[in-house]
Amino acid sequence: NAGVTQTPKFRILKIGQSMTLQCAQDMNHNYMYWYRQDPGMGLKLIYYSVGAGITDKGEVPNGYNVSRSTTEDFPLRLELAAPSQTSVYFCASRRGQGKVQPQHFGDGTRLSIL
Amino acid sequence: DAKTTQPTSMDCAEGRAANLPCNHSTISGNEYVYWYRQIHSQGPQYIIHGLKNNETNEMASLIITEDRKSSTLILPHATLRDTAVYYCIVRVAAYGQNFVFGPGTRLSVLP
Repeated sequence: NAGVTQTPKFRILKIGQSMTLQCAQDMNHNYMYWYRQDPGMGLKLIYYSVGAGITDKGEVPNGYNVSRSTTEDFPLRLELAAPSQTSVYFCASRRGQGKVQPQHFGDGTRLSIL
Repeated sequence: DAKTTQPTSMDCAEGRAANLPCNHSTISGNEYVYWYRQIHSQGPQYIIHGLKNNETNEMASLIITEDRKSSTLILPHATLRDTAVYYCIVRVAAYGQNFVFGPGTRLSVLP
């Protein structure tokens, strides 16, 4: 059981380039999340999804876009990379029914914008 | 806006119990308290959660005060591999009742 899989693990981008961070989960979880973590800080929520076709903004959505066409996948898109987006990005998922279940996290994507 | 308050850092001797406190004075009556930890820069790892009763699992124990305004995570016999940042989390009304991670407590287990 792979859990939450994020690709790539590392990436260096030039300012103005675009890329998509991939996230896939095989636990049939309804809820999925994207966070960013800057050095020495906690995680900040970028976007979340409560099911296929439904997404919503978190605390820091500017500069990012998401889509959720399937239950399994929740890609995060950076359209015009900026140095301020240098960070570690974590994807998470959790089951949505019943009592609020804890989140399961991927291993992260380390992104540098130069 | 983490809605929880934790000490910035703590030390613990290897083999001793590590007691990590958390204040969540604004928690609502039906909200759970969750604890995660993050080792180095890995993804956060779920430890335990509770509502009002004390909870125990293979990793830790969670003690919640009767008024639910604070809790303590207990690692009964800390090892060097328990060195990590520990996050105490409650859901917040913003962003669809989602989880907000503050800076957490950096626990150092010393040999």
